[in-house]
Amino acid sequence: KNQVEQSPQSLIILEGKNCTLQCNYTVSPFSNLRWYKQDTGRGPVSLTIMTFSENTKSNGRYTATLDADTKQSSLHITASQLSDSASYICVVWDYGQNFVFGPGTRLSVLP
Amino acid sequence: DTEVTQTPKHLVMGMTNKKSLKCEQHMGHRAMYWYKQKAKKPPELMFVYSYEKLSINESVPSRFSPECPNSSLLNLHLHALQPEDSALYLCASSQVSGPLAGNTIYFGEGSWLTVV
Repeated sequence: KNQVEQSPQSLIILEGKNCTLQCNYTVSPFSNLRWYKQDTGRGPVSLTIMTFSENTKSNGRYTATLDADTKQSSLHITASQLSDSASYICVVWDYGQNFVFGPGTRLSVLP
Repeated sequence: DTEVTQTPKHLVMGMTNKKSLKCEQHMGHRAMYWYKQKAKKPPELMFVYSYEKLSINESVPSRFSPECPNSSLLNLHLHALQPEDSALYLCASSQVSGPLAGNTIYFGEGSWLTVV
């Protein structure tokens, strides 16, 4: 069964610190993987997309990595800000009909 | 900024009411989706429309009735809902719902539904 797992389930960090979120998937075939940020009560917003041939991609303070061999992705947030408090969802497109969602990581950034 | 627009942003309805959620996109996408999201959970797929035809219905109760009037619009008609149907309803679109290497899903801001 195609699955996406994320860890940790929740994370609390202090403002200005860095953190890394993990996404492991068993989706096959694999087409692309996207990280979304979802503020409470709002729709998910795309942060970055990774395709099979890409290893690293940055978007400001967000850097995503992908290891297609081990089927793992990470999202690194640098110099966290209070506004980074949100849920981060990993979504994998299986090149067919399915967007497979991870359960999300809830990040809280404290002052 | 999202390019998928949902209205209304908030809706409170009684269990005997009939209401509709509306969604619009102008990206030329041919696949549109309805998702239901409860607090602290990922979105759950309800319906998929592909080229304006319903292609996936994830065993959703008939009190939810989707409609796709044209390639840019998607509605969700609500009737005789239950309090447990209260949730954030997300509309989304993607280029297609079939094989496409770069296919990506874009979400609207969501409609908060409360059933009283």
